[in-house]
Amino acid sequence: GENVEQHPSTLSVQEGDSAVIKCTYSDSASNYFPWYKQELGKGPQLIIDIRSNVGEKKDQRIAVTLNKTAKHFSLHITETQPEDSAVYFCAASMTSGGSNYKLTFGKGTLLTVNP
Amino acid sequence: NAGVTQTPKFRILKIGQSMTLQCTQDMNHNYMYWYRQDPGMGLKLIYYSVGAGITDKGEVPNGYNVSRSTTEDFPLRLELAAPSQTSVYFCASSSVGTDTIYFGEGSWLTVV
Repeated sequence: GENVEQHPSTLSVQEGDSAVIKCTYSDSASNYFPWYKQELGKGPQLIIDIRSNVGEKKDQRIAVTLNKTAKHFSLHITETQPEDSAVYFCAASMTSGGSNYKLTFGKGTLLTVNP
Repeated sequence: NAGVTQTPKFRILKIGQSMTLQCTQDMNHNYMYWYRQDPGMGLKLIYYSVGAGITDKGEVPNGYNVSRSTTEDFPLRLELAAPSQTSVYFCASSSVGTDTIYFGEGSWLTVV
């Protein structure tokens, strides 16, 4: 089955700096790569995702890049703010015909943005 | 705007007791899931369902049972609770044709 490795496990940055979280996956058949943000005491919430036919996707201060050859994908947060502090999870799955299930998650990265 | 609703939020169980975690969604999603999250670990899939009457095992199904009698509800049953089942449980749902999975707020379960 799929295996997703996520690094680093903790990341501390100063407000305004950039943060990068990296993930690798093992199953070359995976074609969908979402990123979730989990605030304390809450459920994970999708913040951005990318499909295997795209190399990069941006949404305001957040971007995700995908290298299919190396089986790497990364989350980039620019101009970090204290409210970006949370646990971030990457995940991978193979979607087929619009059906997506069996997401495999990384272990998470605790991001702390210091004012 | 309820989305995915889980109950209870917190529960303490004694070893050997049984209980059911309730989950309901009001988005008419076909797919529903149960994940568990242990400290410092990612979420692991326990069971999932692709529609009413259809369920299947995920990565860590042992010690759990599920049923899906309606589109809206997907309860998770713990039989003979064990300390290893101490965890945070998340119910989630998604729709056919979209990839976004929506999570509930979580249920914190402690088995002592």
